[in-house]
Amino acid sequence: DAGVIQSPRHEVTEMGQEVTLRCKPISGHDYLFWYRQTMMRGLELLIYFNNNVPIDDSGMPEDRFSAKMPNASFSTLKIQPSEPRDSAVYFCASSLGAGNTIYFGEGSWLTVV
Amino acid sequence: GENVEQHPSTLSVQEGDSAVIKCTYSDSASNYFPWYKQELGKRPQLIIDIRSNVGEKKDQRIAVTLNKTAKHFSLHITETQPEDSAVYFCAASTNAGKSTFGDGTTLTVKP
Repeated sequence: DAGVIQSPRHEVTEMGQEVTLRCKPISGHDYLFWYRQTMMRGLELLIYFNNNVPIDDSGMPEDRFSAKMPNASFSTLKIQPSEPRDSAVYFCASSLGAGNTIYFGEGSWLTVV
Repeated sequence: GENVEQHPSTLSVQEGDSAVIKCTYSDSASNYFPWYKQELGKRPQLIIDIRSNVGEKKDQRIAVTLNKTAKHFSLHITETQPEDSAVYFCAASTNAGKSTFGDGTTLTVKP
């Protein structure tokens, strides 16, 4: 398996623009997670899905952030409008079952200027 | 919700020495405790894990211990090597699927 695939790997955008991050989980995995990593706040769980259904979005910082999982092989994290403080590495991850190993994608490095 | 505390935040050891990183958790429902290693610019990757029905697990130079009563678990790395230098994260997971990560420990192994 190719692992968790994320795109884009790097994005630089201007403040106010819409940003869409994409993720393809490992085939067969039923849990999908979106994490954000910064030096100041570490690794934060934003939202996670089970069988395409959002289970916990309490980590989503504000209404500018939204996430969808229209099917078992695709998820998006959208930021609209983007702000400089959104600059971070966004990791998508997936696991097979609850309480099992989480496999991370390579991350999407977002810079908002 | 779950709260995971990890100590120390930075750790510097001489090559060949041992390194120990400790984590505590708050949710007694947590039953899976993985450790991840993240090298600079890379993704976190699992190095070892332990479940709540086990007190200790070892894989070559790496071992993890779990004390469910005290709600703490530790990572032990023996005979450290420069390539062990990285950020290490502990995590605690429940059957609900949610994993909470510690803040990470930056380990530096000096040659």
